Amino acid sequence: EPEVTQTPSHQVTQMGQEVILRCVPISNHLYFYWYRQILGQKVEFLVSFYNNEISEKSEIFDDQFSVERPDGSNFTLKIRSTKLEDSAMYFCASSEEGEETQYFGPGTRLLVL
Amino acid sequence: AQSVTQLGSHVSVSEGALVLLRCNYSSSVPPYLFWYVQYPNQGLQLLLKYTSAATLVKGINGFEAEFKKSETSFHLTKPSAHMSDAAEYFCAVKRGSSNTGKLIFGQGTTLQVKP
Repeated sequence: EPEVTQTPSHQVTQMGQEVILRCVPISNHLYFYWYRQILGQKVEFLVSFYNNEISEKSEIFDDQFSVERPDGSNFTLKIRSTKLEDSAMYFCASSEEGEETQYFGPGTRLLVL
Repeated sequence: AQSVTQLGSHVSVSEGALVLLRCNYSSSVPPYLFWYVQYPNQGLQLLLKYTSAATLVKGINGFEAEFKKSETSFHLTKPSAHMSDAAEYFCAVKRGSSNTGKLIFGQGTTLQVKP
């Protein structure tokens, strides 16, 4: 069964460093999302992406964040200058045209020191 | 604005007992509702969804949920708990019929199943 994959599974970085989290959505899906879950808190929406542009973004998704689909398979989330409060589990999700269900990857656990 | 409230951050049941995880939503438009399960060190897996068809929705692993508009609820049930059901469960709401609509999650309920 097709699934969303994410790399790396864990990332440790120093405050102020740039990180890129990578996702490979399900191959025929056209809608892509990033969510994050700070330890002990709710899963929160960050951004949705369709047709090579951002469809919607949350207040969390400020200028330090960016997303890109650099090729036909990858979908990336970049955090330009990480802060301690960026430590969280980041989930990628995708959905296909006309389908409400979002399929989630296993997540990347980011720890900012 | 849409929101989701899950009553009870931790629920403990005995193996073979009824599982009831509560979810109430708030939405100004007809919602789509979802239950996801997260096993340790894994991603979010869809259990079931309500998308304005039948109000009683059956999902995987013997779970079901009933959409009750009058109560703005979408509680998750399973008649008989199994040890493998121990996980965290998330209720989520989405603005209906929008492919780009974001999911809004509840705070999650950890289900413990005792032998």
